[in-house]
Amino acid sequence: AQRVTQPEKLLSVFKGAPVELKCNYSYSGSPELFWYVQYSRQRLQLLLRHISRESIKGFTADLNKGETSFHLKKPFAQEEDSAMYYCALRGLTGGGNKLTFGTGTQLKVEL
Amino acid sequence: KAGVTQTPRYLIKTRGQQVTLSCSPISGHRSVSWYQQTPGQGLQFLFEYFSETQRNKGNFPGRFSGRQFSNSRSEMNVSTLELGDSALYLCASSLGSDANTEAFFGQGTRLTVV
Repeated sequence: AQRVTQPEKLLSVFKGAPVELKCNYSYSGSPELFWYVQYSRQRLQLLLRHISRESIKGFTADLNKGETSFHLKKPFAQEEDSAMYYCALRGLTGGGNKLTFGTGTQLKVEL
Repeated sequence: KAGVTQTPRYLIKTRGQQVTLSCSPISGHRSVSWYQQTPGQGLQFLFEYFSETQRNKGNFPGRFSGRQFSNSRSEMNVSTLELGDSALYLCASSLGSDANTEAFFGQGTRLTVV
């Protein structure tokens, strides 16, 4: 079974402060990990994926297989980062596009 | 290019009725997945269709069904509606099943069962 855990429902930080959104996963095979973001009144969209190993809007995430984690980080939070963030997993064994989502973390960046 | 389109955007149905939701994927995308989003359970996978065949199925009762047409458009049907079926239903389309295929989401259909 695949499972994604995001322990924080709400994370509130001040503008310019570092951000870390936590994500842990459980999966017996090879996973592909993603972060999706949903800004107010907009559709869910991909922020980044571990395969790409790139930084998007200043966010990075490293897959740690030993700790089964895929935490999302940004050194300096901006007001426009306020949104709902979902960590998601896709199993690479068995094919298909089934995504298992965490329950999401609401990030609120305060001035 | 046009994004994933879901219709209708809002629906109100009565318990016991059935409902059909529609999803038009991005042109060229062959995979369509459906998710149910509720405040209590979050985003839960319903099923995925690829080239008109159901490839994956989540843990939902048989009242939830779907299909995909030759043009990749997909429909989802819920029969004998229950109050607990009230949710936002999201559709996502992808090119295929290989790694590095991004899932693009529609804006969803908000279903309210009264």
